[in-house]
Amino acid sequence: NAGVTQTPKFQVLKTGQSMTLQCAQDMNHNSMYWYRQDPGMGLRLIYYSASEGTTDKGEVPNGYNVSRLNKREFSLRLESAAPSQTSVYFCASTRYSTNNEKLFFGSGTQLSVL
Amino acid sequence: QKEVEQNSGPLSVPEGAIASLNCTYSDRVSQSFFWYRQYSGKSPELIMSIYSNGDKEDGRFTAQLNKASQYVSLLIRDSQPSDSATYLCAVNGAGGSYIPTFGRGTSLIVHP
Repeated sequence: NAGVTQTPKFQVLKTGQSMTLQCAQDMNHNSMYWYRQDPGMGLRLIYYSASEGTTDKGEVPNGYNVSRLNKREFSLRLESAAPSQTSVYFCASTRYSTNNEKLFFGSGTQLSVL
Repeated sequence: QKEVEQNSGPLSVPEGAIASLNCTYSDRVSQSFFWYRQYSGKSPELIMSIYSNGDKEDGRFTAQLNKASQYVSLLIRDSQPSDSATYLCAVNGAGGSYIPTFGRGTSLIVHP
Protein backbone atom coordinates (compact mmCIF):
# COMPACT_ATOMS: atom_id res chain seq x y z
CA ASN A 1 0.00 0.00 0.00
CA ALA A 2 1.15 3.52 -0.78
CA GLY A 3 -0.27 5.01 2.46
CA VAL A 4 -0.37 8.81 2.25
CA THR A 5 0.85 10.34 -1.00
CA GLN A 6 1.71 14.02 -1.34
CA THR A 7 2.55 15.98 -4.45
CA PRO A 8 4.67 17.82 -5.32
CA LYS A 9 7.77 17.01 -3.25
CA PHE A 10 9.42 20.35 -3.97
CA GLN A 11 8.05 23.68 -5.17
CA VAL A 12 9.43 27.19 -5.59
CA LEU A 13 6.97 30.05 -5.89
CA LYS A 14 7.24 33.77 -6.29
CA THR A 15 5.41 36.02 -3.86
CA GLY A 16 1.77 36.33 -4.90
CA GLN A 17 1.60 33.11 -6.91
CA SER A 18 -0.92 30.45 -6.04
CA MET A 19 -0.64 26.71 -5.86
CA THR A 20 -2.38 23.60 -4.54
CA LEU A 21 -0.72 20.83 -2.58
CA GLN A 22 -2.34 17.47 -3.20
CA CYS A 23 -2.75 14.67 -0.69
CA ALA A 24 -4.36 11.26 -1.07
CA GLN A 25 -4.56 8.25 1.24
CA ASP A 26 -5.48 4.69 0.34
CA MET A 27 -6.07 3.37 3.87
CA ASN A 28 -9.79 4.20 4.02
CA HIS A 29 -9.10 6.69 6.79
CA ASN A 30 -11.80 9.11 7.84
CA SER A 31 -9.72 12.01 9.14
CA MET A 32 -7.03 14.01 7.38
CA TYR A 33 -4.72 16.85 8.41
CA TRP A 34 -2.34 19.43 7.05
CA TYR A 35 0.68 20.45 9.14
CA ARG A 36 3.57 22.78 8.52
CA GLN A 37 6.99 22.32 10.05
CA ASP A 38 9.46 25.14 10.50
CA PRO A 39 12.92 24.86 12.08
CA GLY A 40 12.63 24.77 15.85
CA MET A 41 8.83 25.05 15.73
CA GLY A 42 7.65 21.47 15.65
CA LEU A 43 4.51 20.55 13.73
CA ARG A 44 1.72 23.10 13.63
CA LEU A 45 -1.76 22.23 12.43
CA ILE A 46 -3.09 24.30 9.53
CA TYR A 47 -6.44 22.64 8.78
CA TYR A 48 -8.04 19.31 9.39
CA SER A 49 -11.00 17.28 8.20
CA ALA A 50 -12.63 14.95 10.70
CA SER A 51 -14.63 13.23 7.98
CA GLU A 52 -15.61 13.60 4.36
CA GLY A 53 -17.54 16.82 3.90
CA THR A 54 -16.14 18.65 6.93
CA THR A 55 -13.12 20.91 7.40
CA ASP A 56 -11.94 22.99 10.34
CA LYS A 57 -9.22 25.49 11.09
CA GLY A 58 -6.20 24.53 13.08
CA GLU A 59 -3.58 26.62 14.84
CA VAL A 60 -2.23 28.52 11.80
CA PRO A 61 -4.93 28.71 9.06
CA ASN A 62 -4.33 32.24 7.77
CA GLY A 63 -3.37 32.34 4.09
CA TYR A 64 -4.57 28.81 3.37
CA ASN A 65 -7.71 27.06 2.17
CA VAL A 66 -8.54 23.39 2.01
CA SER A 67 -10.86 21.06 0.16
CA ARG A 68 -11.86 17.57 1.20
CA LEU A 69 -12.61 16.39 -2.31
CA ASN A 70 -13.71 12.91 -1.24
CA LYS A 71 -12.76 10.41 1.44
CA ARG A 72 -9.32 9.84 -0.10
CA GLU A 73 -8.21 13.33 -1.02
CA PHE A 74 -7.51 16.50 0.98
CA SER A 75 -5.89 19.43 -0.79
CA LEU A 76 -4.26 22.59 0.59
CA ARG A 77 -4.32 25.80 -1.43
CA LEU A 78 -2.19 28.90 -1.11
CA GLU A 79 -4.06 31.69 -2.91
CA SER A 80 -1.33 34.33 -2.74
CA ALA A 81 1.93 32.90 -1.46
CA ALA A 82 4.06 34.89 0.99
CA PRO A 83 7.68 34.31 2.10
CA SER A 84 6.33 33.47 5.58
CA GLN A 85 4.76 30.37 4.03
CA THR A 86 8.16 28.93 3.20
CA SER A 87 8.06 25.65 5.11
CA VAL A 88 7.79 21.90 4.90
CA TYR A 89 4.19 20.75 4.62
CA PHE A 90 2.97 17.36 5.77
CA CYS A 91 -0.34 15.73 5.11
CA ALA A 92 -1.45 13.08 7.58
CA SER A 93 -4.41 10.81 8.21
CA THR A 94 -6.02 8.78 11.00
CA ARG A 95 -8.68 6.10 10.88
CA TYR A 96 -11.04 8.02 13.12
CA SER A 97 -11.24 11.34 14.93
CA THR A 98 -10.61 9.92 18.41
CA ASN A 99 -7.86 10.29 20.99
CA ASN A 100 -6.02 7.01 20.54
CA GLU A 101 -5.39 7.28 16.83
CA LYS A 102 -1.86 7.47 15.47
CA LEU A 103 -1.02 9.73 12.56
CA PHE A 104 0.19 8.38 9.24
CA PHE A 105 2.24 11.00 7.41
CA GLY A 106 2.98 11.67 3.79
CA SER A 107 6.54 12.29 2.67
CA GLY A 108 6.20 16.06 2.77
CA THR A 109 6.42 19.04 0.41
CA GLN A 110 9.32 21.47 0.66
CA LEU A 111 7.94 24.86 -0.36
CA SER A 112 10.02 27.98 -0.91
CA VAL A 113 8.40 31.35 -1.54
CA LEU A 114 10.77 33.98 -2.92
CA GLN B 1 -3.41 27.01 26.17
CA LYS B 2 -2.31 23.55 25.15
CA GLU B 3 1.45 23.25 25.52
CA VAL B 4 3.84 20.41 25.04
CA GLU B 5 7.40 21.12 26.02
CA GLN B 6 10.57 19.31 25.02
CA ASN B 7 14.23 20.16 25.39
CA SER B 8 15.41 20.85 21.85
CA GLY B 9 18.86 19.36 22.51
CA PRO B 10 20.88 18.09 20.89
CA LEU B 11 21.16 15.20 23.30
CA SER B 12 24.41 13.39 22.61
CA VAL B 13 25.00 9.85 23.92
CA PRO B 14 27.62 7.21 23.15
CA GLU B 15 26.67 4.06 21.31
CA GLY B 16 25.32 1.44 23.69
CA ALA B 17 24.15 3.95 26.31
CA ILE B 18 20.60 4.73 27.43
CA ALA B 19 19.07 7.83 25.88
CA SER B 20 16.40 9.54 27.96
CA LEU B 21 14.01 11.96 26.27
CA ASN B 22 11.50 13.97 28.25
CA CYS B 23 8.26 15.78 27.53
CA THR B 24 5.92 17.79 29.75
CA TYR B 25 2.39 18.89 28.96
CA SER B 26 0.19 21.56 30.42
CA ASP B 27 -3.36 20.19 30.13
CA ARG B 28 -4.29 17.69 32.83
CA VAL B 29 -7.15 16.21 30.78
CA SER B 30 -4.80 14.96 28.08
CA GLN B 31 -5.62 11.37 27.23
CA SER B 32 -3.11 9.85 24.83
CA PHE B 33 0.62 10.26 24.38
CA PHE B 34 2.81 9.44 21.42
CA TRP B 35 6.46 9.47 20.44
CA TYR B 36 7.30 9.98 16.79
CA ARG B 37 10.77 9.66 15.30
CA GLN B 38 11.79 11.91 12.43
CA TYR B 39 14.96 11.40 10.45
CA SER B 40 16.43 14.45 8.74
CA GLY B 41 14.48 15.24 5.58
CA LYS B 42 11.88 12.56 6.26
CA SER B 43 8.38 12.46 7.69
CA PRO B 44 7.57 11.52 11.30
CA GLU B 45 6.80 7.89 12.10
CA LEU B 46 5.22 6.53 15.26
CA ILE B 47 7.46 4.50 17.54
CA MET B 48 5.52 4.39 20.82
CA SER B 49 2.10 5.22 22.23
CA ILE B 50 1.02 5.16 25.87
CA TYR B 51 -2.35 5.82 27.44
CA SER B 52 -2.12 4.91 31.14
CA ASN B 53 0.31 5.62 33.96
CA GLY B 54 3.40 3.47 34.15
CA ASP B 55 5.84 1.95 31.71
CA LYS B 56 5.30 0.42 28.29
CA GLU B 57 8.13 -1.49 26.65
CA ASP B 58 8.65 -2.36 23.01
CA GLY B 59 12.04 -3.79 22.17
CA ARG B 60 14.72 -1.24 23.04
CA PHE B 61 12.12 1.48 23.63
CA THR B 62 10.30 2.21 26.89
CA ALA B 63 7.69 4.92 27.26
CA GLN B 64 6.91 6.18 30.74
CA LEU B 65 3.84 8.19 31.70
CA ASN B 66 3.18 10.06 34.92
CA LYS B 67 -0.14 11.91 34.68
CA ALA B 68 0.12 13.37 38.19
CA SER B 69 3.36 15.12 37.25
CA GLN B 70 2.27 15.66 33.65
CA TYR B 71 5.29 14.21 31.98
CA VAL B 72 6.01 11.46 29.53
CA SER B 73 9.44 10.11 28.70
CA LEU B 74 11.07 7.82 26.19
CA LEU B 75 14.03 5.63 27.05
CA ILE B 76 16.13 4.08 24.32
CA ARG B 77 18.34 1.27 25.57
CA ASP B 78 21.52 0.18 23.79
CA SER B 79 21.42 3.30 21.62
CA GLN B 80 22.65 2.89 18.05
CA PRO B 81 23.87 5.49 15.54
CA SER B 82 20.73 4.66 13.55
CA ASP B 83 18.68 6.08 16.45
CA SER B 84 20.07 9.55 15.65
CA ALA B 85 16.99 11.56 14.76
CA THR B 86 14.55 14.12 16.14
CA TYR B 87 11.98 12.72 18.54
CA LEU B 88 8.60 14.44 18.66
CA CYS B 89 6.27 14.15 21.62
CA ALA B 90 2.55 14.41 20.78
CA VAL B 91 -0.38 14.71 23.15
CA ASN B 92 -4.03 14.04 22.31
CA GLY B 93 -7.08 15.03 24.24
CA ALA B 94 -5.81 18.34 25.55
CA GLY B 95 -8.61 20.89 25.84
CA GLY B 96 -11.11 18.18 24.97
CA SER B 97 -9.79 17.89 21.43
CA TYR B 98 -8.64 14.69 19.77
CA ILE B 99 -6.25 16.70 17.59
CA PRO B 100 -2.65 15.99 18.62
CA THR B 101 -0.48 18.82 19.88
CA PHE B 102 3.22 18.41 19.16
CA GLY B 103 6.27 19.49 21.05
CA ARG B 104 9.14 21.07 19.16
CA GLY B 105 11.16 17.87 19.23
CA THR B 106 14.45 16.74 20.76
CA SER B 107 17.42 16.06 18.52
CA LEU B 108 19.29 12.88 19.52
CA ILE B 109 22.81 12.13 18.36
CA VAL B 110 24.29 8.72 19.05
CA HIS B 111 28.02 8.73 18.42
CA PRO B 112 30.12 5.59 17.85
